[in-house]
Amino acid sequence: GDSVTQMEGPVTLSEEAFLTINCTYTATGYPSLFWYVQYPGEGLQLLLKATKADDKGSNKGFEATYRKETTSFHLEKGSVQVSDSAVYFCALSERSSASKIIFGSGTRLSIRP
Amino acid sequence: DTAVSQTPKYLVTQMGNDKSIKCEQNLGHDTMYWYKQDSKKFLKIMFSYNNKELIINETVPNRFSPKSPDKAHLNLHINSLELGDSAVYFCASSPTGAPTGEQFFGPGTRLTVL
Repeated sequence: GDSVTQMEGPVTLSEEAFLTINCTYTATGYPSLFWYVQYPGEGLQLLLKATKADDKGSNKGFEATYRKETTSFHLEKGSVQVSDSAVYFCALSERSSASKIIFGSGTRLSIRP
Repeated sequence: DTAVSQTPKYLVTQMGNDKSIKCEQNLGHDTMYWYKQDSKKFLKIMFSYNNKELIINETVPNRFSPKSPDKAHLNLHINSLELGDSAVYFCASSPTGAPTGEQFFGPGTRLTVL
């Protein structure tokens, strides 16, 4: 079945450091790919998305490119801030009527001032 | 103007009790979901309803029963609560046939079973 694998955390960085969180997927079709973010004590929010190969999703300085050849959707940010501390989930959705999303296990990111 | 709301935010109860969690969305979406997030933050889908009809029912104990009185509401009733039911439960919604499959999440209900 479809699955998402992302790097295990926690990831701890200093402010202004470069961030990469790796994500790879397995899917039978052509899924949409997402990064969701969960800030402490809150629900998940969509951070960015890409719906087809070579699309780049971007938001709040974060970027991820849909790489079909490597089945990857790595999350990057050039300069992280303390406010980026959260749990990040990579996810995919097959375009079926059920609109089921499959989430990765989440990566906790902590940014030191 | 909350999009997806859940009540209560916190729920502490004894083993063996029956409890309900309510979810409402004002986005006009046709599809709603319940997810369970464990202590390690792993998210697992439990149920999905489309226009009040059950469309996803993952392997969940039958002590859990979703109820959708209308397409804007999806409630979760849990009978005979067990310690292992302690988790954060998230409601979500999405428009039917959304080409991208994006879902909108509520703030979560933290259930603690003592």
